[in-house]
Amino acid sequence: GAGVSQSPSNKVTEKGKDVELRCDPISGHTALYWYRQSLGQGLEFLIYFQGNSAPDKSGLPSDRFSAERTGGSVSTLTIQRTQQEDSAVYLCASLSRGEQALRGTGELFFGEGSRLTVL
Amino acid sequence: AQSVTQLGSHVSVSEGALVLLRCNYSSSVPPYLFWYVQYPNQGLQLLLKYTSAATLVKGINGFEAEFKKSETSFHLTKPSAHMSDAAEYFCAVSEGAGSYQLTFGKGTKLSVIP
Repeated sequence: GAGVSQSPSNKVTEKGKDVELRCDPISGHTALYWYRQSLGQGLEFLIYFQGNSAPDKSGLPSDRFSAERTGGSVSTLTIQRTQQEDSAVYLCASLSRGEQALRGTGELFFGEGSRLTVL
Repeated sequence: AQSVTQLGSHVSVSEGALVLLRCNYSSSVPPYLFWYVQYPNQGLQLLLKYTSAATLVKGINGFEAEFKKSETSFHLTKPSAHMSDAAEYFCAVSEGAGSYQLTFGKGTKLSVIP
């Protein structure tokens, strides 16, 4: 697609339920990030995927959070047994692994986010 | 480890006035620095970046930023604010070549008063 696509755009769930958030990156982008944006807290890094390499999961806040990326394209972020503090906007970004990206100068392309509200 | 501090969570300026959004960083290696902008209900998009070439960087929509190593700063400026500049602005730092990890500041929300 033309840009990074995320779904659902809004999700309201009850405490204790599981949720899945989906990210479809720009075609051909091999790197994919998940960030969490909470009010007044900026962007918190969650996880990074690059090709077939093992993902960097160092930002996942607890073992209730997991993510996978199938076929090097679409990614799903899963939150199990949701808590009220999980309420936030979850942003996905992709990055081309061209020369700029390898040098650390590449531009991240963000989706519009999935707003999660846990009641 | 790198970090970013954005001074002022909310800045208000009059239309036509100077915009100055402050960003200070810390990094153990020469950093790369970025400013991203987020318009309401949209994802972030890149405004400009510093990657060790010219210290004064020009971006889209008339914004520019100057890398000052001695002050560990990368402040964002625009000479004359426009109503369409109202958005949230994020400063970010990476640890240079080969690094994929971007650390973002908490953001500064810019309001433009007519």
